[in-house]
Amino acid sequence: NAGVTQTPKFRILKIGQSMTLQCAQDMNHNYMYWYRQDPGMGLKLIYYSVGAGITDKGEVPNGYNVSRSTTEDFPLRLELAAPSQTSVYFCASRHPHRGTGTEAFFGQGTRLTVV
Amino acid sequence: GESVGLHLPTLSVQEGDNSIINCAYSNSASDYFIWYKQESGKGPQFIIDIRSNMDKRQGQRVTVLLNKTVKHLSLQIAATQPGDSAVYFCAENPTGGGNKLTFGTGTQLKVEL
Repeated sequence: NAGVTQTPKFRILKIGQSMTLQCAQDMNHNYMYWYRQDPGMGLKLIYYSVGAGITDKGEVPNGYNVSRSTTEDFPLRLELAAPSQTSVYFCASRHPHRGTGTEAFFGQGTRLTVV
Repeated sequence: GESVGLHLPTLSVQEGDNSIINCAYSNSASDYFIWYKQESGKGPQFIIDIRSNMDKRQGQRVTVLLNKTVKHLSLQIAATQPGDSAVYFCAENPTGGGNKLTFGTGTQLKVEL
């Protein structure tokens, strides 16, 4: 059981380039999230999805796009990379029920630098 | 706007002492709270959670206390160990908030030998 897997772990992009951050989970979780974490800061929600075919904006969606064609995968797309998007990106997933034991599980992160 | 905030950015404790990490939340509609631990270079790891119909929940060496009256959450770590050194985040899930988890800034816990 791999949990939440993110690829790549590290990436350097030039301004204006595009890339897709991959996220896959094998826990059959309906809910998936993308967060970014700037140095010394907390996690800010970029986009989230409550199931295949459904996505919603979080706190900081500008400059990003997502898709959710399957329950397992939730890729994050950067179309025109900017230095402000230099950050560590975390993907997470969770079970839809709201009781205890429905915490979000996180991937190990993708460290992105835009130069 | 609604926010989750932490009182102290850094907390230093002696090995073996108890640690208390505090968190204030402002969204009275939140009904589910989670504490995460994040070690350097890693993703957040679940520690313990609590629903709003509870005021205390205990795990292994950790206890979470919830005071809904003052919108305050705390994480108590008993007999703090060097391996507890990390950044600790509280997160809240507002009712009707689309199941979004909102995180605070975090508290850096440093365990001194």
